[in-house]
Amino acid sequence: GQQVMQIPQYQHVQEGEDFTTYCNSSTTLSNIQWYKQRPGGHPVFLIQLVKSGEVKKQKRLTFQFGEAKKNSSLHITATQTTDVGTYFCAGPGITSGTYKYIFGTGTRLKVLA
Amino acid sequence: GAGVSQTPSNKVTEKGKYVELRCDPISGHTALYWYRQSLGQGPEFLIYFQGTGAADDSGLPNDRFFAVRPEGSVSTLKIQRTERGDSAVYLCASSLGLAGGSGELFFGEGSRLTVL
Repeated sequence: GQQVMQIPQYQHVQEGEDFTTYCNSSTTLSNIQWYKQRPGGHPVFLIQLVKSGEVKKQKRLTFQFGEAKKNSSLHITATQTTDVGTYFCAGPGITSGTYKYIFGTGTRLKVLA
Repeated sequence: GAGVSQTPSNKVTEKGKYVELRCDPISGHTALYWYRQSLGQGPEFLIYFQGTGAADDSGLPNDRFFAVRPEGSVSTLKIQRTERGDSAVYLCASSLGLAGGSGELFFGEGSRLTVL
């Protein structure tokens, strides 16, 4: 079945350093979503990418969708303690017109002040 | 309320008991999802409803798990003969689904199930 993997599994950075997480799907995706889950919280939607090679920015966050639409990345510039949490990518597994979103394994980010 | 509501927030039960978890989605959201999340893991897909019908239940682990959404709004996840391995946070999410929108999933706070 469809698998979505993320690396690294964990990342500890000093506040002010950059951070990147990579997402790879075993199948081509029609779109990809990114979510952030704070410790003890629930996943919260960040963004959706649809087009091949698409790049979107949200303040210090830059999201990219690969040309083959099988991988994606999230880059955070100058991390802050508020960036702490686990970042998940999610892709739709389209089977007979349904849209179940398969979540990646996640990257847990810890920011050291 | 404005968000996805899940009850109970915490449920402790004994092995072999029956459990029901309820999800009240955002009004107007036609799509509803159930996920299961174990500690340190990503959300694991269980079932997806579009309206009243289960459009995809391929993630349900076995026949002890069943979910309904009889009127296309509130959904109930039912677990029979609970096992210790069922212990996890059960997350519900809703979206506009085929009604449009970005496909963004709005998650509830989850129901933490502990099977002793």
